[in-house]
Amino acid sequence: EAGVTQFPSHSVIEKGQTVTLRCDPISGHDNLYWYRRVMGKEIKFLLHFVKESKQDESGMPNNRFLAERTGGTYSTLKVQPAELEDSGVYFCASSQETGGEAFFGQGTRLTVV
Amino acid sequence: AQSVTQPDIHITVSEGASLELRCNYSYGATPYLFWYVQSPGQGLQLLLKYFSGDTLVQGIKGFEAEFKRSQSSFNLRKPSVHWSDAAEYFCAVGVLGYQKVTFGIGTKLQVIP
Repeated sequence: EAGVTQFPSHSVIEKGQTVTLRCDPISGHDNLYWYRRVMGKEIKFLLHFVKESKQDESGMPNNRFLAERTGGTYSTLKVQPAELEDSGVYFCASSQETGGEAFFGQGTRLTVV
Repeated sequence: AQSVTQPDIHITVSEGASLELRCNYSYGATPYLFWYVQSPGQGLQLLLKYFSGDTLVQGIKGFEAEFKRSQSSFNLRKPSVHWSDAAEYFCAVGVLGYQKVTFGIGTKLQVIP
């Protein structure tokens, strides 16, 4: 069974550009989470989808970040325009039930230069 | 709001030696507690969790952790470290199970021959 898959594994973009990260959850998992780790800091919660609906987006840093999960399958996280402080590792996780064990992807390392 | 403190950023141990990674949390009620591990190039993997019941929990790869309410701690232990244990370890606390988990800053473990 495939785990949580994230694309790309690395991305280097210039300040002001747009980047879209993708997460494919484990098949059948209704819950999808995005987290971010800025270098040297904690991994921080960004938001939580239940199917295609945003259950909790309290961790989204600002309106330059847009997360979508059309059809309740894969999710995208767009950063537009990217700033230097957006650099970090973005993790996606999914779980079958709300509050159930979450399985993490390998992360996308984003570098904004 | 809940918080997690991992006081040791880096730890070096000799292969075969015992290991204890410290974790303190702050949360008003009984928390859900986790330890995750991230090996190079991999996603976060759940080592063990505490939800209720026996305060000494066993996990995968020979790890265990003990919940001590009086000390607000959830330290991770292993009696004999293997070179493959070199990784970064994250303590985390959840309010509603695995939802909206708060992570510590992580402890990088180096294992020397």
